Amino acid sequence: DVVLTQSPLSLPVTLGQPASISCRSSESLVHSDGSTYLYWFQQRPGQPPRRLIYKLSNRDSGVPDRFSGSGSGTDFTLQISRVEPEDVGVYYCMQSRHWPGTFGQGTRVEIK
Amino acid sequence: VQLQESGPGLVKPSETLPLTCTVSDGSVSSGPYYWSWIRQSPGKGLEWIGYISSSGSTNYNPSLKSRLTISIDTSRNQFSLRLRSVTAADTAVYYCARIENLAPDYWGPGTLVTVSS
Repeated sequence: DVVLTQSPLSLPVTLGQPASISCRSSESLVHSDGSTYLYWFQQRPGQPPRRLIYKLSNRDSGVPDRFSGSGSGTDFTLQISRVEPEDVGVYYCMQSRHWPGTFGQGTRVEIK
Repeated sequence: VQLQESGPGLVKPSETLPLTCTVSDGSVSSGPYYWSWIRQSPGKGLEWIGYISSSGSTNYNPSLKSRLTISIDTSRNQFSLRLRSVTAADTAVYYCARIENLAPDYWGPGTLVTVSS
């Protein structure tokens, strides 16, 4: 299975400041159709994951534009331009380029 | 679209875990979607179990394939999971989800399943 390694595992942030989460894949996530099958999810306590970003850099409907996804090949980043209180939670990257789809181990974002 | 899991919260070791996902405000028969089961445990994190199309074609995680059946009932707007010969390692929160753009977009709230005698 493809291994996704996130860093850091814990990220204390100051409100209003930017935050960045890294996700590295053990294999390329680029498909021959040109798409990169890398996704980002946010999970708040007691809730299911919520998809934020699909296919590398596309924001899902209703996702604030302070969230952005970037990267290429095997190295990916989720950026939050200005952290808000509601951004507290655990963030996961996920790939579906190779079956079975796999998730990173999660990065916990907390307010300092 | 809304999804809701249902099934037993406690299953004995070696028995079969049956779960059903009921879809509302949408149809399992429509659109370019697949329907999926995903589980989450403290030890293994998020694990994609498998998915099914509206026509009934399936794709299972190889690690579970020998014990797993996913089926769909378009008349009831439901899809289901059966996991045989469960052990404590199958204890997890089980989610059903819709697959769009090859990843889950809508999720059910999840149901905790504990395997214990």
